[in-house]
Amino acid sequence: DAGVIQSPRHEVTEMGQEVTLRCKPISGHNSLFWYRQTMMRGLELLIYFNNNVPIDDSGMPEDRFSAKMPNASFSTLKIQPSEPRDSAVYFCASSSRTSGVADTQYFGPGTRLTVL
Amino acid sequence: KNQVEQSPQSLIILEGKNCTLQCNYTVSPFSNLRWYKQDTGRGPVSLTIMTFSENTKSNGRYTATLDADTKQSSLHITASQLSDSASYICVVRGTGGSQGNLIFGKGTKLSVKP
Repeated sequence: DAGVIQSPRHEVTEMGQEVTLRCKPISGHNSLFWYRQTMMRGLELLIYFNNNVPIDDSGMPEDRFSAKMPNASFSTLKIQPSEPRDSAVYFCASSSRTSGVADTQYFGPGTRLTVL
Repeated sequence: KNQVEQSPQSLIILEGKNCTLQCNYTVSPFSNLRWYKQDTGRGPVSLTIMTFSENTKSNGRYTATLDADTKQSSLHITASQLSDSASYICVVRGTGGSQGNLIFGKGTKLSVKP
């Protein structure tokens, strides 16, 4: 298995532009997570999906952020309009939820976003 | 407030030496605790997951301990190698059935020097 795939790996954009980050989870996994990582705040959970349905988006910083999962093999995180404070590394992770077993999340390589 | 505190923030050791990283948490009620290793420029990789009833768990040269009474965990690395240089992140999951109920520590950055 190729693991969790994220694209692009690096994105540089100007303030005000729309940014779309993409994620392909591990085949067969039914949970998908979007995280943001900065030096100051560490890893933060933004949103997660179970069986393509958003379960908890309380970590999404504001309305400029939105996430979708149209099918089991694809998810997007969109920022519109982007701001310099959105600069961070965004990780996607997936897991296979098995009742009664502590699940392991498998992380993608991340997208490094720089907003100028 | 649910928090996870890791210490030290950074650590430099010589190759071949042992080291111990600490994780204290206030998350309650508690479901499980995980240690992740994150290499520079990569995503975190799970090392161990420990539930309430487990006191110790090993993964090669990595040994994690958990004291649920004092809400403390440690990650011990034996005979360190240059490839152990990374950030180590402690993550505590609360109960409630939500997979999103994860509290992350800020990590300990370990540098192993030759």
